[in-house]
Amino acid sequence: EAQVTQNPRYLITVTGKKLTVTCSQNMNHEYMSWYRQDPGLGLRQIYYSMNVEVTDKGDVPEGYKVSRKEKRNFPLILESPSPNQTSLYFCASSLRRGGKNEQFFGPGTRLTVL
Amino acid sequence: GQQLNQSPQSMFIQEGEDVSMNCTSSSIFNTWLWYKQDPGEGPVLLIALYKAGELTSNGRLTAQFGITRKDSFLNISASIPSDVGIYFCAGLPNLNAGGTSYGKLTFGQGTILTVHP
Repeated sequence: EAQVTQNPRYLITVTGKKLTVTCSQNMNHEYMSWYRQDPGLGLRQIYYSMNVEVTDKGDVPEGYKVSRKEKRNFPLILESPSPNQTSLYFCASSLRRGGKNEQFFGPGTRLTVL
Repeated sequence: GQQLNQSPQSMFIQEGEDVSMNCTSSSIFNTWLWYKQDPGEGPVLLIALYKAGELTSNGRLTAQFGITRKDSFLNISASIPSDVGIYFCAGLPNLNAGGTSYGKLTFGQGTILTVHP
């Protein structure tokens, strides 16, 4: 089944404790992206990647890192999480062919930073 | 970054009624996407639009890419209880352009739809 998977689905952590949220897709998509969703603000893009070893900042990249060492995986790293990073995080991927960028989303990771 | 204004923020309707929502942008997009999000799940793509003036349907859903390329509309006809959820518009600039906007999908704030049986 074609899908985007994220782990963990739920995480409660404390300020300053480094964490990684994994994202994997099995559709051979070049493009992958991370978003955070907060009430009243919709989805905001954190980072995106056009292909392996190619990443760029979205609208809200501060406090986050990403890497794209292989095509299927795009982990999101919080080196020193803070309470304002408590949010619902989504990973997405797309094929980007012929001018199209129809992104498929993962199930989400709900992060709470105490 | 670019801003998308989506309205209305929420709608409470009776089953069977038609629904309209729209998104406007301060800048031009070359792609408009409409997503639906059910509680506890990720957004699911409903309709994709790639040409100014394009009108596309998906069952009871119809979306249009505005002529100015700065707006898009989604209509749901004869709503049913399972239409409940949050609807998002999203815009993408020219994929063939360079610069910092390349690949950046911008979302509207969402429209929360409630359908009463």
